[in-house]
Amino acid sequence: SQKIEQNSEALNIQEGKTATLTCNYTNYSPAYLQWYRQDPGRGPVFLLLIRENEKEKRKERLKVTFDTTLKQSLFHITASQPADSATYLCAQNSGNTPLVFGKGTRLSVIA
Amino acid sequence: GAVVSQHPSWVICKSGTSVKIECRSLDFQATTMFWYRQFPKQSLMLMATSNEGSKATYEQGVEKDKFLINHASLTLSTLTVTSAHPEDSSFYICSARSRGTYEQYFGPGTRLTVT
Repeated sequence: SQKIEQNSEALNIQEGKTATLTCNYTNYSPAYLQWYRQDPGRGPVFLLLIRENEKEKRKERLKVTFDTTLKQSLFHITASQPADSATYLCAQNSGNTPLVFGKGTRLSVIA
Repeated sequence: GAVVSQHPSWVICKSGTSVKIECRSLDFQATTMFWYRQFPKQSLMLMATSNEGSKATYEQGVEKDKFLINHASLTLSTLTVTSAHPEDSSFYICSARSRGTYEQYFGPGTRLTVT
């Protein structure tokens, strides 16, 4: 079965540092990997989508990579701020299939 | 752009009653809508997928007679939890996608508590 895993349940970093979150997938090759931010009691907010033929995507302080050899996506937040503290979800789909989510990584940026 | 709303944001109902949750895409046509459920400290679990004008496709283990989904227009989908029980208490989140795109946009969620 398709599995998408975010191995770190929680990550604490100092303000100003770069946060790096990891997402791994097994048993399949997703066409798209997507990253979302979720705050407590709220729905997920779309951040970035990266296609399997793209190595890297950037949006302001965010960067996502997609390594099909390692079956892994990395999500980076540079110059992190306390306001970046949230749960970040990795999700995958292929074509018209619905998103399947990882369990998420709870990021805490400490001032 | 790409705003999805849900109503109500929270609801408390008695065991045995039914509750309807609305999901609307405000600034785009949602050809496909999805309903997810999320328990505390867990990830989103897909319940069903619906295409406008068609019957919903339910995930394994989700009772279609208990969770009625209607996607009658390109901007509205509803989820009705029938004969609710305390174990149905959860955070229900809808998501929408327009034709030819792969990003899914999510509503703010509905917290259902069944007493």
